[in-house]
Formats: sequence, structure tokens, C-alpha cells
Amino acid sequence: EIVLTQSPGTLSLSPGERATLSCRASQSVSSSYLAWYQQKPGQAPRLLIYGASSRATGIPDRFSGSGSGTDFTLTISRLEPEDFAVYYCQQYGSSLPLTFGGGTKVEIK
Amino acid sequence: QVQLQESGPGLVKPSETLSLTCAVSGYSISSGYYWGWIRQPPGKGLEWIGSIYHSGSTYYNPSLKSRVTISVDTSKNQFSLKLSSVTAADTAVYYCARSGGYDILTGYYLDAFDIWGQGTMVTVSS
Repeated sequence: EIVLTQSPGTLSLSPGERATLSCRASQSVSSSYLAWYQQKPGQAPRLLIYGASSRATGIPDRFSGSGSGTDFTLTISRLEPEDFAVYYCQQYGSSLPLTFGGGTKVEIK
Repeated sequence: QVQLQESGPGLVKPSETLSLTCAVSGYSISSGYYWGWIRQPPGKGLEWIGSIYHSGSTYYNPSLKSRVTISVDTSKNQFSLKLSSVTAADTAVYYCARSGGYDILTGYYLDAFDIWGQGTMVTVSS
């Protein structure tokens, strides 16, 4: 099983600032099959990034993903008020079980 | 557009079977995709339960495999989750979701979850 470790657990930032979230895998993620989701309170997760760096439909370009192998990053270039939420990474593909990281909460400073 | 909607009892007694259904609208589930279940205990992270391919192949999380059954009802355009012998640890919000991928003789591949239901809270308590 691929274990995903996200850091930091909580990120306290102000609107307009840059957010950098990390996701580290216990073993290499095949073909960069790494996704990022955003979850707001009381809502289902929303797919932001797939294939480590491709934005899902309708996702603003202030969200970007990078990385390969075991180290991945989600960057939000300039935080908007609606971006304060919890973010999860997930590995998918043929390595089962599908697993999620523990999440990073981006909160208003 | 494609929409998913979970339904089922909000309260299940310990040792009984949790049964949920996910109704799909805007797409015929027999036409393609994987259809999966993910859960989230209160205040905690996400756990993949399992997925079913439109052809019927199923893949389960080994940690739950002995208790889980996912099935498809193409006549009603819905898929279902059954989780047996539940305990308080199974209390969670349960989401259904769609993912792309393939399942062929030489292998399988499950994509990221691109469409999710709103989720349904299930509490296990006597």
C-alpha cells in the first residue's frame, strides 16, 4: 500500500499570499498518477489536479501541481477567500488500494 | 450533466449490514467508467472502500474486503454498497464517485474521482 504523507497539517496564510502544500509517497507513484482535491466544510471533495500537474475542468490557473516519483506539490499562487479549505492528495492507477493523504488545512491567518 | 446521489439509512445497529445506493443521472452507468465508494469518519480523512467497473469487475480495499460488496443495477442506473458486521468505527460520511479507467485482460487502471455525490452520514449505534 502506498502511504501518502501531507505537510504541513495546517497552513495559516492571508488572502493574496502563496500557498505551498506537500505530499510525499512511501514509494514511487506510477506515471505521476497523483491527484489533488479541495474539500470545504459540509461538501464533497472537488478534483483540482490530476496526473500531478493537469488542472481539472473549470479549475482556476492559480492552482498548479508539480512533482514526480515520491514528492509532489500543490501551489496556490494567490489565495482567494474561497480557497481556504482542506486539501487532499490521492494516488490512483493500478496500485491498489487507492489511498489518500491525511490532508492539509489552509486557514485564514 | 452527470450527477450522483447517495441514499440509505442514516442509523445502523452494530453487527448489522450497512446498505447504501448511489443513483446516477445524466449518464448510463452501463456505458463506461468505474463507480466507487469513499468514506470519511467525522473530522478525519478520506478512505477508499472500493470500485466497480461498468462491466462488473470489482476492486476493494483489502482492509474492508471481507465485509464489502459493491454491485450495479443497470435497470435502475444505480450502484450499491453493502458493508456487513458494522461497528462504531464504520460511522462516517459515505460518498459515491465516478472515475475513469479501464479493465481488460492484461490489466486494469482506475483514474482520479472526477464527480462526487454530496455524501450521506451513516451512524452505527444501538
